[in-house]
Amino acid sequence: GAGVSQSPSNKVTEKGKDVELRCDPISGHTALYWYRQRLGQGLEFLIYFQGNSAPDKSGLPSDRFSAERTGESVSTLTIQRTQQEDSAVYLCASSPQTGQQSYEQYFGPGTRLTVT
Amino acid sequence: GDSVTQMEGPVTLSEEAFLTINCTYTATGYPSLFWYVQYPGEGLQLLLKATKADDKGSNKGFEATYRKETTSFHLEKGSVQVSDSAVYFCALFRDDKIIFGKGTRLHILP
Repeated sequence: GAGVSQSPSNKVTEKGKDVELRCDPISGHTALYWYRQRLGQGLEFLIYFQGNSAPDKSGLPSDRFSAERTGESVSTLTIQRTQQEDSAVYLCASSPQTGQQSYEQYFGPGTRLTVT
Repeated sequence: GDSVTQMEGPVTLSEEAFLTINCTYTATGYPSLFWYVQYPGEGLQLLLKATKADDKGSNKGFEATYRKETTSFHLEKGSVQVSDSAVYFCALFRDDKIIFGKGTRLHILP
């Protein structure tokens, strides 16, 4: 079946512009996660959704970052007034479980964001 | 806070060599532990897991044992193949989210 998909696969933007990244989770998966991987670093947790609500936004690095999820399906991660330090691969994952059972996550291919 | 430390890469081995990638963690209690793998051009995927102390996770010839005494979860494989070339991430699960190490790139030479 279809896995997690993300779009665009690559995005180059100028500093100060806003960008929107999209994630389509596996159909029926309740939990959805966003992570960021900067060059030479591990994956950083950003935010997760349980259904359409976000119980944990603790990883969002600043108020320029926001995310939403609708219909317990598609999620968008928006970065306003992008900065060069936002350059990274943004990964989305979904899980059929929630809470303590949501450790098995299925990852998308990522969106590579480059801010010039 | 919780964290995961794994050996720096890249690691280069010849085919059929023995592999160890070290991983240690810092956490309160006993979180579930994982190894994820990212093959070239593909998304991250779960390789193996251990949910409690002394558990051994295994998959595709890889093994890792949850050692609470040493807070470690080292990845091992007895005989690696070229197809094992990938980036390997050690991780722990806490408060509904995964905390990853920085990843270790593995190159296997034919």
